[in-house]
Amino acid sequence: GENVEQHPSTLSVQEGDSAVIKCTYSDSASNYFPWYKQELGKGPQLIIDIRSNVGEKKDQRIAVTLNKTAKHFSLHITETQPEDSAVYFCAASKGGGADGLTFGKGTHLIIQP
Amino acid sequence: KAGVTQTPRYLIKTRGQQVTLSCSPISGHRSVSWYQQTPGQGLQFLFEYFSETQRNKGNFPGRFSGRQFSNSRSEMNVSTLELGDSALYLCASSSTGGWTEAFFGQGTRLTVV
Repeated sequence: GENVEQHPSTLSVQEGDSAVIKCTYSDSASNYFPWYKQELGKGPQLIIDIRSNVGEKKDQRIAVTLNKTAKHFSLHITETQPEDSAVYFCAASKGGGADGLTFGKGTHLIIQP
Repeated sequence: KAGVTQTPRYLIKTRGQQVTLSCSPISGHRSVSWYQQTPGQGLQFLFEYFSETQRNKGNFPGRFSGRQFSNSRSEMNVSTLELGDSALYLCASSSTGGWTEAFFGQGTRLTVV
């Protein structure tokens, strides 16, 4: 089955700096890659996603890039703010109802004031 | 538009008992997926229901089961509870499932003692 590796497990950055979280996947048939943010005591919140026919997608301070050949995708957060502190999860899916989401182990992002 | 609602938020059960968790998806969404979240294993896919039919299933024992009603509400049942079943159980809804956006509820925290 699909396997998703996520790095780093913890990332500490200064407020205002950029943060990058990287994920790799194993199944070349995967074609949908969402990113979720989870705050303490809450369920995961979808923040951005990308499909395999797109190489990059941006939404304000958040961007995701996808390299299908290398089977890796990354989340980029610019101008980080204290409210960006949370655990971030990447996921992969073959889509079309073929299977559920396979998640990475998560990255604890800490924004230092 | 109301989000995904899971009840109850917290449960404490004894080993050997059974438990039923409930999930009400976003209005108009027909796909409901269930995930187990633990510190050790992370987020793992349990199963997905679409139009009252189980469409996909993850790698969990038969003690874990679910169903979906005609109004898209879903229930998840765990029989013969084990200590290792202690986890946050998350429900996600989407309009069609697969690689469309999945929105999570806040989860049910199950503790087995």
